[in-house]
Amino acid sequence: AQKITQTQPGMFVQEKEAVTLDCTYDTSDPSYGLFWYKQPSSGEMIFLIYQGSYDQQNATEGRYSLNFQKARKSANLVISASQLGDSAMYFCAMRGVNTGGFKTIFGAGTRLFVKA
Amino acid sequence: DAGVIQSPRHEVTEMGQEVTLRCKPISGHDYLFWYRQTMMRGLELLIYFNNNVPIDDSGMPEDRFSAKMPNASFSTLKIQPSEPRDSAVYFCASSHGDRGPPPTFGQGTRLTVV
Repeated sequence: AQKITQTQPGMFVQEKEAVTLDCTYDTSDPSYGLFWYKQPSSGEMIFLIYQGSYDQQNATEGRYSLNFQKARKSANLVISASQLGDSAMYFCAMRGVNTGGFKTIFGAGTRLFVKA
Repeated sequence: DAGVIQSPRHEVTEMGQEVTLRCKPISGHDYLFWYRQTMMRGLELLIYFNNNVPIDDSGMPEDRFSAKMPNASFSTLKIQPSEPRDSAVYFCASSHGDRGPPPTFGQGTRLTVV
């Protein structure tokens, strides 16, 4: 069975500093994808970054990077130079093989607070 | 493309009433997902479809919940009869291909059952 674990319910970071949000996963699928989404207080789900299980390099998208450690089954999100607008809920997600198709499941989320 | 469109955005209904949530996926997407978000349980996958066929409905809470996808451009999630504990935000999301871009979410429907 697939499982995503985010152990940090809440995190605080000072504006302009970097922050790492943790994500570990469990799957027996040989091929899978890992994503991070941001959910601001307005409620929409915004895709941030994607990492494929066979990708050799860690994914980066602007200030977002994904620290992918396959052997440890972790896919931590690093946000550099935090901004006040980064205050939001962040979800780690995984897409893996399910009978007949690909299923995407989410972790419990981490609420990030950026302090001025 | 207008993105994933959900309706209504907000729904308030009385306990025992039937509720129908609607979703129009992005054209060309072959996967459609229904999620429920609550404070207690987070984002739960209720059911997903591939090419209009339900693949996994193991997340559907109970028989009061049903979902259909009669064609590639429309899906419904129905709750009958509704209960206060069904109050949540229901998201529809769609994606293309087994290894394509991640799911794109609709704006969600906030359901309140009183």
